[in-house]
Amino acid sequence: GAVVSQHPSWVICKSGTSVKIECRSLDFQATTMFWYRQFPKQSLMLMATSNEGSKATYEQGVEKDKFLINHASLTLSTLTVTSAHPEDSSFYICSARGTSGLYNEQFFGPGTRLTVL
Amino acid sequence: LAKTTQPISMDSYEGQEVNITCSHNNIATNDYITWYQQFPSQGPRFIIQGYKTKVTNEVASLFIPADRKSSTLSLPRVSLSDTAVYYCLVYGSSNTGKLIFGQGTTLQVKP
Repeated sequence: GAVVSQHPSWVICKSGTSVKIECRSLDFQATTMFWYRQFPKQSLMLMATSNEGSKATYEQGVEKDKFLINHASLTLSTLTVTSAHPEDSSFYICSARGTSGLYNEQFFGPGTRLTVL
Repeated sequence: LAKTTQPISMDSYEGQEVNITCSHNNIATNDYITWYQQFPSQGPRFIIQGYKTKVTNEVASLFIPADRKSSTLSLPRVSLSDTAVYYCLVYGSSNTGKLIFGQGTTLQVKP
């Protein structure tokens, strides 16, 4: 299957700093990418849908000014957690869909563990 | 938005067949059923997807009755490495292609 990478795999930062997480589709072009967060022992929660060349669509309750998403190319989407606080500590996972079709398989990245001190 | 319901947890033993059933009563005509597996601290991994009847791949089988209001993931002869969380998802026109994860089923395979 197609490969999606994330960088970094883990990051520790101080409260108040911003952290950028990259999501790349390595061997296919992704017109749509998705960002999720997952707290321990919980399910994945969809944060936003990212379409190449356009603004991201955020799910209800997700602060768009807090979680900045950029999808500048067909193989790269970034999530920036601005002014991070301890409650933002979580496991962030991205996924990519290979074509514009709704029913195509989504490929998930390995996740990024964010710890805010 | 199609909602799914599946058991929170299941136990099994190595070598047994495991069947995990998921209900999705309000599935839309254009929706597909897909299953993912997730190990701790990893992203979900696609297992299988289907629309109706039966789908089989090298990993699992997916059984979908005619009314499509439920589906059953069948894992043949599980091993300890199959211990994971399994998510049943419905996606398509009812949620614009987004994958909305429910609680999932935590499968514990014992020796």
